[in-house]
Amino acid sequence: SQTIHQWPATLVQPVGSPLSLECTVEGTSNPNLYWYRQAAGRGLQLLFYSVGIGQISSEVPQNLSASRPQDRQFILSSKKLLLSDSGFYLCAWRPGTGLLAKNIQYFGAGTRLSVL
Amino acid sequence: ILNVEQSPQSLHVQEGDSTNFTCSFPSSNFYALHWYRWETAKSPEALFVMTLNGDEKKKGRISATLNTKEGYSYLYIKGSQPEDSATYLCALSQGGKLIFGQGTELSVKP
Repeated sequence: SQTIHQWPATLVQPVGSPLSLECTVEGTSNPNLYWYRQAAGRGLQLLFYSVGIGQISSEVPQNLSASRPQDRQFILSSKKLLLSDSGFYLCAWRPGTGLLAKNIQYFGAGTRLSVL
Repeated sequence: ILNVEQSPQSLHVQEGDSTNFTCSFPSSNFYALHWYRWETAKSPEALFVMTLNGDEKKKGRISATLNTKEGYSYLYIKGSQPEDSATYLCALSQGGKLIFGQGTELSVKP
């Protein structure tokens, strides 16, 4: 069966420090991978998605970047965190084959990031 | 920019009440609509995926309908229970990604 791991669960970082959040998927190949953020009082905002190794699409201009160094690994990074980067970050995957529109997404447990 | 709107933002009901909420989306270039339930301290979980106009899906006490011509979907919960308390998210499928609404936060009091 497929599983998704996301860590850390919580993170408190000072403004200007770097960030690295990691997400890995097991039990599947060539998944589509996604990073979302839920800012306070808002829904899920798609930040990045990837359909393959090294292929990253950015949805919103921001202080963050993403990388996919391996098929089932997705990393969210920042060189210098801003206060506005605080929020809840979710990683998700869905099968990369079949009818993509109908493929449901499976989410990780999330990371609560507080930038102080 | 594709806009998916959900209403109401939050809802407080008593145990046993039936309730419903709305997801509105642009009706052009429709592929699929997803509903997810997100309980506190858990990951969002898929409830339904609907693709055809007039689709109706049911899982236990929860059901959903879809109108792609007018661009809306309703989620119904019959006889709400405290364990139904969660944020309910709808999402429109666009290419390889999902565009989420802001969610409806449901609280069911015993």
